[in-house]
Amino acid sequence: QQQVKQSPQSLIVQKGGISIINCAYENTAFDYFPWYQQFPGKGPALLIAIRPDVSEKKEGRFTISFNKSAKQFSLHIMDSQPGDSATYFCAGRVYGGADGLTFGKGTHLIIQP
Amino acid sequence: EAGVAQSPRYKIIEKRQSVAFWCNPISGHATLYWYQQILGQGPKLLIQFQNNGVVDDSQLPKDRFSAERLKGVDSTLKIQPAKLEDSAVYLCASSLHGRGMDEQYFGPGTRLTVT
Repeated sequence: QQQVKQSPQSLIVQKGGISIINCAYENTAFDYFPWYQQFPGKGPALLIAIRPDVSEKKEGRFTISFNKSAKQFSLHIMDSQPGDSATYFCAGRVYGGADGLTFGKGTHLIIQP
Repeated sequence: EAGVAQSPRYKIIEKRQSVAFWCNPISGHATLYWYQQILGQGPKLLIQFQNNGVVDDSQLPKDRFSAERLKGVDSTLKIQPAKLEDSAVYLCASSLHGRGMDEQYFGPGTRLTVT
């Protein structure tokens, strides 16, 4: 079964610090990897996404690092702020296919002021 | 631009009862998805529509779940009869084409509690 493994399950970071969330995937057909942010009572919202032909993508304070050979990717949140406190999900999808997203189990991030 | 609309937001039913959820995707989006999100887990795809046709329903428990997307716009997801393990948030999402790097936009979800 397609699977994306995410860690840690929960994370506490001080304001201004770097938050790092890791994911590993098994399905080598995946070649689109988005990260979603979800606040309580809301649906997930796309944060940043990458295809594995690049090793890194940066948008503002958010960076995805991708290691294709290890089948791993990670989200780095620089200068973490209390407003970043949310649940983060990594996901994989077959680019060009008709599949929906396969999500990790999520990381509950708390940024302490 | 209006987002994905879902109703109701909350529903409490007893096991063996039936329930239906409604979704209105973003205007012009051809692809519509229903996901099930159990507490503490990531969303799991139940079914994907492209216009009014089913693209993927491999993870839909077809003995009790059904979904339709008449006229390729709104969609309903039904559970009959409900089980305790169906307690979850049911998320609807839509995307413009459903391929490539098309972003999936999620609605706020319907929280179902089965007692």
